[in-house]
Amino acid sequence: GQQVMQIPQYQHVQEGEDFTTYCNSSTTLSNIQWYKQRPGGHPVFLIQLVKSGEVKKQKRLTFQFGEAKKNSSLHITATQTTDVGTYFCAVLNSGGYQKVTFGIGTKLQVIP
Amino acid sequence: DAEITQSPRHKITETGRQVTLACHQTWNHNNMFWYRQDLGHGLRLIHYSYGVHDTNKGEVSDGYSVSRSNTEDLPLTLESAASSQTSVYFCASSGLADMSSYNEQFFGPGTRLTVL
Repeated sequence: GQQVMQIPQYQHVQEGEDFTTYCNSSTTLSNIQWYKQRPGGHPVFLIQLVKSGEVKKQKRLTFQFGEAKKNSSLHITATQTTDVGTYFCAVLNSGGYQKVTFGIGTKLQVIP
Repeated sequence: DAEITQSPRHKITETGRQVTLACHQTWNHNNMFWYRQDLGHGLRLIHYSYGVHDTNKGEVSDGYSVSRSNTEDLPLTLESAASSQTSVYFCASSGLADMSSYNEQFFGPGTRLTVL
């Protein structure tokens, strides 16, 4: 299956600062998904990207899929304490099935 | 509203005991998954099922088994619990694959298992 490496594993930011997490693969990805897990909670789906160079926005969150479809990023503008949590990228298995491979996650701490 | 539930939410057991974690979804999803989450390892797939009577091993399946007798349930059994199986376990489900639409996984609230 397709593997993804996610960096950084941990990030502390001051409230109001921006934050970015990256997901990289050595092979071309068919798609990329992003999930958020709040402390003590369960992962919740945020978005899926499938097209080369795709950029999608959800309020202060910007998701990008690289032109070569080997990397993706999640950027949060002006972080808030509600952004605290772990952000996972994930790759949906291509070929008509639903198995997903998750990155290790980036744990974001926002200092008020 | 459709949902996915797990029980128990917390479990403490002893080494060598058999433990079964329940997962129930009312989404009518064909696909169900079990993950374990440990610090430094993210979410690792234990077993998964694409439909009734279908089960498949994930990357960390040793010591675990599942069975799928209906659409709604995928119980996870630890045959003989070991301390290395202390973890948080998440069940998830998803619908039919369709690359033109979102194929997200819906996660249950998790079960925290401690093996002493």
